[in-house]
Amino acid sequence: GESVGLHLPTLSVQEGDNSIINCAYSNSASDYFIWYKQESGKGPQFIIDIRSNMDKRQGQRVTVLLNKTVKHLSLQIAATQPGDSAVYFCAENILGTGRRALTFGSGTRLQVQP
Amino acid sequence: GAVVSQHPSWVICKSGTSVKIECRSLDFQATTMFWYRQFPKQSLMLMATSNEGSKATYEQGVEKDKFLINHASLTLSTLTVTSAHPEDSSFYICSAIGDREDIQYFGAGTRLSVL
Repeated sequence: GESVGLHLPTLSVQEGDNSIINCAYSNSASDYFIWYKQESGKGPQFIIDIRSNMDKRQGQRVTVLLNKTVKHLSLQIAATQPGDSAVYFCAENILGTGRRALTFGSGTRLQVQP
Repeated sequence: GAVVSQHPSWVICKSGTSVKIECRSLDFQATTMFWYRQFPKQSLMLMATSNEGSKATYEQGVEKDKFLINHASLTLSTLTVTSAHPEDSSFYICSAIGDREDIQYFGAGTRLSVL
């Protein structure tokens, strides 16, 4: 959904634990979803994407789960490391419409405690 | 992944002057580039979408005469903030997407401070 608000939700985890970052999207027509990681003062960095014909996709230490029934997306990070500390954004789009712009969620700050 | 270069990374200018920000796709041809603005602790706000060789499409509320976008080649788009004022101070980020890709790759961002 659209970004509003001045306070990012924060998830604090211990180093080595698994992290789960959640995202609710609003447009049931969205069929493409993507997760980005943004470190302070830098541009977003692509993590993983998933299309709506899948409900799970795995990358290196990351897994994205998609539940279209409840319009929910999650990013799981295994064995979280201090370098994972950042703000994580989900984004959505509808492919094939000609509009290639993404709609970004409001973001979640992940803090990894050593 | 693909590399998008954005320059400058930081610029300070006087009120009333214009500032140009460049966005380059280094290892792929970007048929579409996007410009975002980001305020502290907030998400990315899309300003405009630019397709190579055509006029940019601006989002509602974004002044096209204020934020001039040029996408003259498949590897370069520029954003010019004209007659900048302190309220234009922000973090501006570009992204680029190839013709056969769905993933947007982002530049490192430009922090603009208008005095």
